[in-house]
Amino acid sequence: GDSVTQMEGPVTLSEEAFLTINCTYTATGYPSLFWYVQYPGEGLQLLLKATKADDKGSNKGFEATYRKETTSFHLEKGSVQVSDSAVYFCALSGAGANNLFFGTGTRLTVIP
Amino acid sequence: DTAVSQTPKYLVTQMGNDKSIKCEQNLGHDTMYWYKQDSKKFLKIMFSYNNKELIINETVPNRFSPKSPDKAHLNLHINSLELGDSAVYFCASSQARYTEAFFGQGTRLTVV
Repeated sequence: GDSVTQMEGPVTLSEEAFLTINCTYTATGYPSLFWYVQYPGEGLQLLLKATKADDKGSNKGFEATYRKETTSFHLEKGSVQVSDSAVYFCALSGAGANNLFFGTGTRLTVIP
Repeated sequence: DTAVSQTPKYLVTQMGNDKSIKCEQNLGHDTMYWYKQDSKKFLKIMFSYNNKELIINETVPNRFSPKSPDKAHLNLHINSLELGDSAVYFCASSQARYTEAFFGQGTRLTVV
């Protein structure tokens, strides 16, 4: 069945460091891929998405490219800020799926 | 003008009680969901409704009963609460079953 494997955390970075959170997926067909962010005490917010191979989703300085050949959708940001501290979830929605499948989440802490 | 709103935000109750969580979306979406997030932040789909029709009912105890009076509402009723039911419950909605979901703020349920 469809699944998402996400880099385990927690991840601690200094402000302005480069961020990569790895995400790989297993799915039949051509799923849509998403990154969600959950700030403390809040619900999940869609950060970015990509719906077909080689698409790049981007938002708030974050980027992720849909790589079909490596079944990956890694999240990157060139320079993180303290305000980026949150839990990040990779998710997919397969063709004909009834819901999103989420990874286990990666907690990011950015220190000044 | 909150897109997906759920109430209450916090719910503390004793074992054996019955409680309800309400959810409303004003996005005009056809599909609504209930997810459960455990203490390790893992998200698990519980139920999915499409146009008021139950689509998904994962392996959830039958003490949990969703009710969708109309497309904009999906409530969750829980009978005979147990300690293990303590978690954060998220309501979400999406335009279609395979598109991105929009989440409510969550209801933190604590059973004592």
